[in-house]
Amino acid sequence: DVKVTQSSRYLVKRTGEKVFLECVQDMDHENMFWYRQDPGLGLRLIYFSYDVKMKEKGDIPEGYSVSREKKERFSLILESASTNQTSMYLCASARVRGYTFGSGTRLTVV
Amino acid sequence: GENVEQHPSTLSVQEGDSAVIKCTYSDSASNYFPWYKQELGKRPQLIIDIRSNVGEKKDQRIAVTLNKTAKHFSLHITETQPEDSAVYFCAANFGNEKLTFGTGTRLTIIP
Repeated sequence: DVKVTQSSRYLVKRTGEKVFLECVQDMDHENMFWYRQDPGLGLRLIYFSYDVKMKEKGDIPEGYSVSREKKERFSLILESASTNQTSMYLCASARVRGYTFGSGTRLTVV
Repeated sequence: GENVEQHPSTLSVQEGDSAVIKCTYSDSASNYFPWYKQELGKRPQLIIDIRSNVGEKKDQRIAVTLNKTAKHFSLHITETQPEDSAVYFCAANFGNEKLTFGTGTRLTIIP
């Protein structure tokens, strides 16, 4: 059973802080993704990665960056958190098709 | 651009009746169409998917149909039960493995 683990379930950060969201998968998947989920907007892709040290922008990359130093770990970085980044963040991994999602991190920026 | 539209945004169905959720996509090159179910407070989970070389796929009470010409696909749930209450997301791939999701449908089954 594929496991995708996000390090925090709930997070509260202050405006301007640098925030790290961590995601680890245990099935040797090449592809990893970061989405944010907002009511009425569905899941929107922030960044994704097809391989170690490789990253590509998704639909809403502004204000975010990512890091993939190891195949199993994909980190999302909020360089300077703002209140409009308050959201649910979902990580996913996939070998070919069919994502497996993590449990999500609900981030509140105050 | 890459776009997936999903309707309706909310749907209430009497227990035992059928529910249908529809999605349209913008890229004729898309060839993979999964559906995810997200129960309250839980992660989205894949419930069924279809590839462009088939027009319909069934798994017990759930079926998905695809019309490539019209660029739309639908989720059908028959004999609905209370545990079907959830938010459902459709998605389509745009280039390789990247998925673009619809905005979701909140399905409520009325006992």
